[in-house]
Amino acid sequence: DAGITQSPRYKITETGRQVTLMCHQTWSHSYMFWYRQDLGHGLRLIYYSAAADITDKGEVPDGYVVSRSKTENFPLTLESATRSQTSVYFCASSESTGQGSGGYTFGSGTRLTVV
Amino acid sequence: GQSLEQPSEVTAVEGAIVQINCTYQTSGFYGLSWYQQHDGGAPTFLSYNALDGLEETGRFSSFLSRSDSYGYLLLQELQMKDSASYFCAVGPPGDDKIIFGKGTRLHILP
Repeated sequence: DAGITQSPRYKITETGRQVTLMCHQTWSHSYMFWYRQDLGHGLRLIYYSAAADITDKGEVPDGYVVSRSKTENFPLTLESATRSQTSVYFCASSESTGQGSGGYTFGSGTRLTVV
Repeated sequence: GQSLEQPSEVTAVEGAIVQINCTYQTSGFYGLSWYQQHDGGAPTFLSYNALDGLEETGRFSSFLSRSDSYGYLLLQELQMKDSASYFCAVGPPGDDKIIFGKGTRLHILP
């Protein structure tokens, strides 16, 4: 089915473990983004990508790694999970820069708990 | 730096009209968007204002005044299903990404 999918929907991991959150989109959108959402902070950008093999840091990149070897996939890796990384993570994609052409389309999110 | 301010909560009555304001401070400007998010769901795009003025989409309207660095989302004929969080977002020129406000939680009373 067309769209943007994230996996897993829920994840519990232990402090210090490496965790990878997956994001896949079927529209061939150039732009992809990773946000985390925490109470009181709204949506904060972690990393984004303007095209395959092009990634850049957002507002809160520390402790995270991304890659984009293919246009449709944009995985987010927590190298050594910490409790402060407990959050809801959203992946988004966009056809163009900024907000035109229908804005960002978000995946359903991954709720990550680090214990 | 870039920042957006919007009220944390707004309460309105079913069938009424409510306005959610957003003021922003950016080094430039590329347009104002609004997103809706229901509890447990993902943000969904509602509207985009590139130019000053009012944009209407059904019961929802969005307004922008670039000279005042201000915009608002207007929801008419409120329904219980409109209970959600609403985020404004701006895109600074020359930047590939947009910045979101912290969101306004809309409570609707029957």
